Amino acid sequence: AQSVTQLGSHVSVSEGALVLLRCNYSSSVPPYLFWYVQYPNQGLQLLLKYTTGATLVKGINGFEAEFKKSETSFHLTKPSAHMSDAAEYFCAVLNMGGSTLGRLYFGRGTQLTVWP
Amino acid sequence: GAGVSQSPRYKVAKRGQDVALRCDPISGHVSLFWYQQALGQGPEFLTYFQNEAQLDKSGLPSDRFFAERPEGSVSTLKIQRTQQEDSAVYLCASSLTTGTYGYTFGSGTRLTVV
Repeated sequence: AQSVTQLGSHVSVSEGALVLLRCNYSSSVPPYLFWYVQYPNQGLQLLLKYTTGATLVKGINGFEAEFKKSETSFHLTKPSAHMSDAAEYFCAVLNMGGSTLGRLYFGRGTQLTVWP
Repeated sequence: GAGVSQSPRYKVAKRGQDVALRCDPISGHVSLFWYQQALGQGPEFLTYFQNEAQLDKSGLPSDRFFAERPEGSVSTLKIQRTQQEDSAVYLCASSLTTGTYGYTFGSGTRLTVV
């Protein structure tokens, strides 16, 4: 079964500082992994995804994530935080087989606050 | 349309009332999912359609929840005899095919049961 753990429900950084949001997953098959961002009163917007191939994936707004199979991790980073990055971030794993094909399993989310 | 459209954006229901939430997916998208997002939680799967066929409804929390997609496009999630624990944001997502990476989500319907 798939599951996602996001360490830290709240992360605060200063503007210009490194952003690191942690995600660990559990999957019985090679995972397809996603990061979504949710701004207040809005739906989920895809930031980036890992399916196969290069383990370092780049997304929108300067974010990137690295798939590390040995650590079952898919941490999200951004070198320099901007005020507009303040939002909730969700890591998700996609089930690609069996009776729950196509189902996304989400973590509980990490609220990112950016201080001026 | 250009994106996934959900209506209403906000719904306040008295306990025991029936509600219907609408999702209008991107034109041509075969797969459609409903998720429930409780306050402070990540979205949780409710049900999945491929065209008009409901292939998985194992996430529906009770028999008060019912979803349909009769013509393979617009979908409606109906909740009968609403309870306070039904208060949540209901998200709809669509994709061209199952497993096409990165579903497009709507803005959701925030349901508050009072």
